[in-house]
Amino acid sequence: DSGVTQTPKHLITATGQRVTLRCSPRSGDLSVYWYQQSLDQGLQFLIQYYNGEERAKGNILERFSAQQFPDLHSELNLSSLELGDSALYFCASSTDVNTEAFFGQGTRLTVV
Amino acid sequence: GEDVEQSLFLSVREGDSSVINCTYTDSSSTYLYWYKQEPGAGLQLLTYIFSNMDMKQDQRLTVLLNKKDKHLSLRIADTQTGDSAIYFCAEGRYGGSQGNLIFGKGTKLSVKP
Repeated sequence: DSGVTQTPKHLITATGQRVTLRCSPRSGDLSVYWYQQSLDQGLQFLIQYYNGEERAKGNILERFSAQQFPDLHSELNLSSLELGDSALYFCASSTDVNTEAFFGQGTRLTVV
Repeated sequence: GEDVEQSLFLSVREGDSSVINCTYTDSSSTYLYWYKQEPGAGLQLLTYIFSNMDMKQDQRLTVLLNKKDKHLSLRIADTQTGDSAIYFCAEGRYGGSQGNLIFGKGTKLSVKP
C-alpha cells in the first residue's frame, strides 16, 4: 500500500458526461501529480500541484481540469467525455517536487 | 525527441537473470526510476538512481546507468514467477518547483516456470 488513495476505483459513464476523480496523497506529501495510462499513449503526465498551486502542465486537454485543496487532496475533473478518454487515471504524491513519487491504485474510467 | 524507450517484451525462465533496458533523452535528468505494474494494479516504485551514480544494488535488483549513452538497465537476479509484470523506466524532469516523470511504454516480463 503506497498510502495514496484514489476514488472511485472504477467508473463507467456515457459520452458527453462529466466526472470527478479524487486523490488523497500520502500524509505529509505536498506535491500531487495526475497521469493518464491508455493502451495507445502509455503513461502520460497531465498536471502537477504543489501545496495548492499548479506547478506543471503536461498533455492535459482543455476539457480536463484539476485542483488541490487546502487539505492537500486533489480532484481531476473530466468533462464532455469522449470514448477516447477511457483510460486508467493515476494520482501520485511526493514530499517535495524532486523526490520519489508514490502512486495510487488508479481509477479506471470507461466511457461508453 | 522526448521519448523514453524500452523494448516491449522479455521472456525468461524461472531462476535466470532478467535484464530490462531503457534509453532516455534528457541529459539533465537528475533521477531515473524503475516502476513495476502487476495486472490490475497501480505502479509500485522499485528503485531509483541519482544521475551521478553508475550503479545501485538493492537485494535482487541492480540498476546500471551509463550517462554518456543515456542508457539505464534493471537486472533482476534469480527471477521468480512473481516478478512477472510490466516494468516502466522513467526519467524525472525537474526545474525549479516543477517536476514530472516521463515514462517509457513499459517492458512486459514473462517468467516461465
